[in-house]
Amino acid sequence: DQQVKQNSPSLSVQEGRISILNCDYTNSMFDYFLWYKKYPAEGPTFLISISSIKDKNEDGRFTVFLNKSAKHLSLHIVPSQPGDSAVYFCAARDKAAGNKLTFGGGTRVLVKP
Amino acid sequence: NAGVTQTPKFRVLKTGQSMTLLCAQDMNHEYMYWYRQDPGMGLRLIHYSVGEGTTAKGEVPDGYNVSRLKKQNFLLGLESAAPSQTSVYFCASSYSTEAFFGQGTRLTVV
Repeated sequence: DQQVKQNSPSLSVQEGRISILNCDYTNSMFDYFLWYKKYPAEGPTFLISISSIKDKNEDGRFTVFLNKSAKHLSLHIVPSQPGDSAVYFCAARDKAAGNKLTFGGGTRVLVKP
Repeated sequence: NAGVTQTPKFRVLKTGQSMTLLCAQDMNHEYMYWYRQDPGMGLRLIHYSVGEGTTAKGEVPDGYNVSRLKKQNFLLGLESAAPSQTSVYFCASSYSTEAFFGQGTRLTVV
């Protein structure tokens, strides 16, 4: 069973508009949630994270929202830029299990100029 | 500062052959992980280590073995490669929350 799910495999957005990526999880023991960005032929790179005790974290153009009761988080990118075109992975940390991260299936974002 | 380095970057194996993937990190991180990435499946955890001399099974450990003899190195072994192990393998290390990834190893088993 997938503990972390990204239900949208792809997203296309116009440059300058908002990109919204969604992620759902099932394990209540997750204590941190992270977003990673991945370009082809490269390793994932960390983007932004949020603790389970918070509901929002912002870093520049990137904001992550957490709705703990719904077990749902989202990443907002405003404004979207062509360089944001990549695959985005949602991940959740289980501190009780070696800090291991469980990843969603990814969402491919294409920002059109 | 190299971060996380994986060796090799590419490899083609014949079914039944064995190989070892090497991961090295220079950040003095306690935690290290091996993931595999397959289309539409995200990254799935194979094995992980919470410190030198320790290893634990992840989500998809069958067909793989690991060793962490030194804190900075985490080795992933395939004893008898199968076509189902064709994938991109990523190593990562972590101090607490954020994990840092290597550039990946693309493995093809024919």
